[in-house]
Parts: sequence; C-alpha cells; structure tokens
Amino acid sequence: DGGITQSPKYLFRKEGQNVTLSCEQNLNHDAMYWYRQDPGQGLRLIYYSQIVNDFQKGDIAEGYSVSREKKESFPLTVTSAQKNPTAFYLCASNPDRGRNTEAFFGQGTRLTVV
Amino acid sequence: DAKTTQPPSMDCAEGRAANLPCNHSTISGNEYVYWYRQIHSQGPQYIIHGLKNNETNEMASLIITEDRKSSTLILPHATLRDTAVYYCIVRVWVGSGTYKYIFGTGTRLKVLA
Repeated sequence: DGGITQSPKYLFRKEGQNVTLSCEQNLNHDAMYWYRQDPGQGLRLIYYSQIVNDFQKGDIAEGYSVSREKKESFPLTVTSAQKNPTAFYLCASNPDRGRNTEAFFGQGTRLTVV
Repeated sequence: DAKTTQPPSMDCAEGRAANLPCNHSTISGNEYVYWYRQIHSQGPQYIIHGLKNNETNEMASLIITEDRKSSTLILPHATLRDTAVYYCIVRVWVGSGTYKYIFGTGTRLKVLA
C-alpha cells in the first residue's frame, strides 16, 4: 500500500543530543513537508522541499535541519540548538507542485527530550 | 500569509448535521481552502477542499461564501467517530510552483450520543 511512513512513533532523547526523525513516502510525490505540533496547538511548518536536493525554511526552522537526497525520503534532524524540542512531529507530502491536490500526512513521531 | 480563525470547540448531537465555520478574510484569489481533521495523536486526515464553488464528497460538504472570506464545513449526519479536531487551512503560493499549508488552531468537535 502507498503511504507515508514516519519512524519511530515514540522517541526519547537526552537534552543536548541531536536526533533524526525518518519520513519515507512511496507515493512518488514531489513535495514533502515537516510540521511541528505542540499540545492544543495547530501545526507549524518547519521545512519543505519541492524537489530532490532543494528545500526551504518554513516558519520555525531554527534548530532544525533537513536533507532531500532521494525523492522518497525527507529526514528531519532536531539539533541541540532547538530550545524546546519536545513535540509531535508530522511529515506530509503532496503529489504535484501545480495541481489541485491535497497533502497526505504520516502518523507522526512524538519526541520527548529529558 | 492568509490566516484562518475557527471557534475552539463545538458540540453536535449524533445523527445531526455538524456545521463548522471558518473565517479567512485575508485569503487571496488563487488560494484554496482545505479542511482536515485529526484524531488524538494521529496524522491529519484530508476531508475536502475548494477554491470558489461549493464542493461535496462522500465525507462532507464545503460551502464558500461569494466573497471567499469565510467557509463552512458540513458533516451531514455526525457520528461518534467524527469526534476530532477540525482544521481549516489555506494553501498559499510561495513561488516556483511551491505551496505551503497554513494551519489555524482548529475546532474541537465533540459528537454527543
């Protein structure tokens, strides 16, 4: 079945450590996105990418980094520079840059930094 | 960026229509309105989207005002499984064939038995 896979579902890290969240899609989608969600809040855009080897900062990119070496993969690294990393992270993809289409979301990774 | 405003919570009786309003008064002419819902700790699920005309699919109907400054999502016969947070979203053009989805804080819909 086609879809977006985020792993792991739950992740625990010690403060000061970098951590990488995985996002893989087999939908052949061009665009991919990373969002962050805090309790009781909507989603805020961290980074997005329209094509391989290209990505753009979203509204809250500080303390995060991404790569897009393959069309199907868009990993997010939460660095030690991110002041409040504990959150629910969601990855999404969109089929085509110019079309009247919708974004598909993964099931999320809940990151807890202790 | 275009922003959306939604009531924080609503209740609806099971079997009745749920009407969820959204204000997007700063929307631009080529920006679509999308609706997603999120059940606790899961990824958002797509419901419907539209530009100018009203839209209907197997899940819901979307009514967009003529001036496009507001819209209403209608779940025609709400069930207990429709209890979720509903997000009204504007898809914004950011150049070079690129879009981003702007989320608001959503409406928590509770369907009551």
